[in-house]
This record gives sequence, structure tokens and C-alpha cells, in this order.
Amino acid sequence: DTGVSQDPRHKITKRGQNVTFRCDPISEHNRLYWYRQTLGQGPEFLTYFQNEAQLEKSRLLSDRFSAERPKGSFSTLEIQRTEQGDSAMYLCASSNGLAGLSYEQYFGPGTRLTVT
Amino acid sequence: AQSVSQHNHHVILSEAASLELGCNYSYGGTVNLFWYVQYPGQHLQLLLKYFSGDPLVKGIKGFEAEFIKSKFSFNLRKPSVQWSDTAEYFCAVWGGTSYGKLTFGQGTILTVHP
Repeated sequence: DTGVSQDPRHKITKRGQNVTFRCDPISEHNRLYWYRQTLGQGPEFLTYFQNEAQLEKSRLLSDRFSAERPKGSFSTLEIQRTEQGDSAMYLCASSNGLAGLSYEQYFGPGTRLTVT
Repeated sequence: AQSVSQHNHHVILSEAASLELGCNYSYGGTVNLFWYVQYPGQHLQLLLKYFSGDPLVKGIKGFEAEFIKSKFSFNLRKPSVQWSDTAEYFCAVWGGTSYGKLTFGQGTILTVHP
């Protein structure tokens, strides 16, 4: 399968713990996006990478959140000191793109985080 | 900031009925528009997209959407729905940001009864 993959698919953690999620984009895609989706809502943009550079972050991304894409391939999203409000589905998407243009994004299956 | 509004949270139809899901966005500049679908237990998939040209775009599985710039709308249509169309549908807009982040509507759940 050459789609976007995410790991783990489900994560249950206690409040205050740190969690890390991984996303592997489609191999030739240079752009990678993280979104968060809560029940009854559409995905909300969190952050974006072009190759290894993190170029945009949403105000939703508090200081407890950090994302990396060290070699321009896979990406990790870490949440420190989790709170119950962090419970959501975390989606990763990838696309190709040139600056100033938009291309269709391909989404992974998501990581469902539950903070107890 | 741009926003996207989907008119209906939950639509219930019988097979063979016609479908129209509303989507309005607020952004005055150039937009690219998308409809994504999420079938039960599956991830988001692209249904169709509008970048430029003919405002009536056709997607997979018999879906189409019409971009009406003057109304800031991009409604999704299908003449005859099937039970297998039961899913959640999301409208999304790219509006002028440099790197292509999408703004999504809140989604419409479509339930089709056989």
C-alpha cells in the first residue's frame, strides 16, 4: 500500500503523560500536514511542512505540541503533558506542491487519542 | 480568516433519491474547492475538486459539484443515491494561503436507506 500511514491507530493515555505519533507520507510528496478532528467537526489545520521545514503553525498548536520532519520524509507529532481536551483524531495528510499553489491532499487513517 | 459552512448536519434519504449538499465559504480571492468523503471505518478520500475552468466538476461514483462564484458556493450533487453512499461528506477550501492548508466545513452525515 502506497498511501499515507499513521502509527499508532489508537492511543489511550493518562492526563499528564507525553505521547508521540508518527506519519509516513506518500513517498514522493514534499508537503506534509497535520490536522486535528473532534467529534462532529471537520478537520482543523495544525501545522505544515515543506520537505523538512515547518512553515506554518496554527494557533491551535500550543507550546505543549511539537512536530518534526527531520529528513523530509516521515513526521512526528508530540504532545507533552496531555490534557483531556487533547482527546481527538489526529490526521496526517501529504501532497506535492509548488509555492503558492494548492494540490489535493491525501489523508492517512488517523491516530485516535483518548486522554483519561 | 476563511470559513466553510455546510448547511446540513445529517441528511437521510432513500435509495434512488436525488442528493444536494450545500457548502458555502467566506473568502473573496482565488479559491480551490474540494469535497472529501469518509465512509464508515475508512479514512478521508477525495471525491472531487475544482481548481479552475468549467465550474461544473465531476468526481468519482457519479458525484458532481458546481462552483458558483457569485454565491460563494460549491454544492455537491448526485442524481440517484445508493446505500453505499452512506458516509460523512466534508467540503474544504483552499483560499490564498501560500502552502495549501485546507479549511474544512463541519461535515454532513448522509444516511441512505435501502
